[in-house]
Formats: sequence, C-alpha cells, structure tokens
Amino acid sequence: DTGVSQDPRHKITKRGQNVTFRCDPISEHNRLYWYRQTLGQGPEFLTYFQNEAQLEKSRLLSDRFSAERPKGSFSTLEIQRTEQGDSAMYLCASSLEGSEQYFGPGTRLTVT
Amino acid sequence: AQSVTQLGSHVSVSEGALVLLRCNYSSSVPPYLFWYVQYPNQGLQLLLKYTSAATLVKGINGFEAEFKKSETSFHLTKPSAHMSDAAEYFCAVSEGLSSASKIIFGSGTRLSIRP
Repeated sequence: DTGVSQDPRHKITKRGQNVTFRCDPISEHNRLYWYRQTLGQGPEFLTYFQNEAQLEKSRLLSDRFSAERPKGSFSTLEIQRTEQGDSAMYLCASSLEGSEQYFGPGTRLTVT
Repeated sequence: AQSVTQLGSHVSVSEGALVLLRCNYSSSVPPYLFWYVQYPNQGLQLLLKYTSAATLVKGINGFEAEFKKSETSFHLTKPSAHMSDAAEYFCAVSEGLSSASKIIFGSGTRLSIRP
C-alpha cells in the first residue's frame, strides 16, 4: 500500500490554458474525493466519486472544472481556461465506504 | 449546515509545554469530528477522530481530544510539545452520518514551538 498519489506535484500555467491533474487512490478504496485549498485556509470540498459514479459536486466546481473516474480507479481533474483565482493546492483523498479519508500530497497550481 | 471554528490562527508554545488547540463545531446531527495535521507542502494526515464512541479520543504522536457536547467543542491537546509538532492543524466535521462523507474543514491553526 503506497498511499494516495497525485501527479504532478506542481504545475505552473498561463492564464487561459487548460490543465489536468491525476489522482491514484489506495487500491481497494471505492470512494475518491477532490478538495481545493487556498493559502491560509482549510481544504474545501469539490466533488466525490463512489466507484465510477460522481455522486456530489460543490457549487465551487464551476463549468470550467470537470472530474472523471472512468474505471473506478484513478481520477482526473481538468480545469479549462484557467484563471488566477484557480491558483491553489488541489488535494485528493480516498476511502472505503464507512472509513476515514486518506489524503494525497496535493498538486500545487500556480496560474500566472 | 455543519461548520467548525478554530479559535486562534496561530499558537506558539515552548518545547515541553502543554499544547491546546481549540475547535468548536456546529451540527444539527451527531457529528463525526476529526483533527488533521499538515506539514509544509504535504497533504493532510489524520491525527484522531471522534465517531460517537468514547468522548476522550487518543490519536497519534501523543495527541488527544475530548468531545464535549454541552460546549460543542473538540479541543486538541498534547501534554508536552516537541519541535516536530510544528505544523498546521485542522479541525473538521463530517457532513452526514458516515465518516466517509465529505469533510468540512476549519481554517486551521498554525502551531509554532519555541526552543
């Protein structure tokens, strides 16, 4: 068990570009969560999957954001037409149903 | 809606002193409560969780927290601070009755340890 992994760890992009992040959960975990953390704040929930089904999305997840978990294993989070306000740490977590969430190291996005 | 409030964005204690990080929650249903720690440029690590069993919860690294329903509090303590405890600490509440539901985090408390 290697824990939750995220790739890349850091991403610098220019405003208007699209970016995609990947999360690999702990192998037997059926739930996968995405959170966003801005500087000096706690993480905020974005969305979560149970297996391949996206069960809930926060109002923070604008139309420019899309998340997928096509085979119920890894997940991707894409941000289209990035804005400076998208600069944040994007955290992924996974869990078994009924157990606690384990977090990955995060992807730090900087939009210039 | 559930929420947590962490009192004090920054706490500084001397090495060997008591650590007390305060957290109050708001919930209309019995909450699941958590404390997470985050070291610089890393993800969050679960310190401990309350899931309606014992009100005094022991966690990793010598930390513990006490659930007090009458005060709607879940303060984190450690009897003797160590330099390695310097980090950001987040109190959190689970929305829903399952600990696998989405988590609502407080804004965090940065703990500094003075030599």
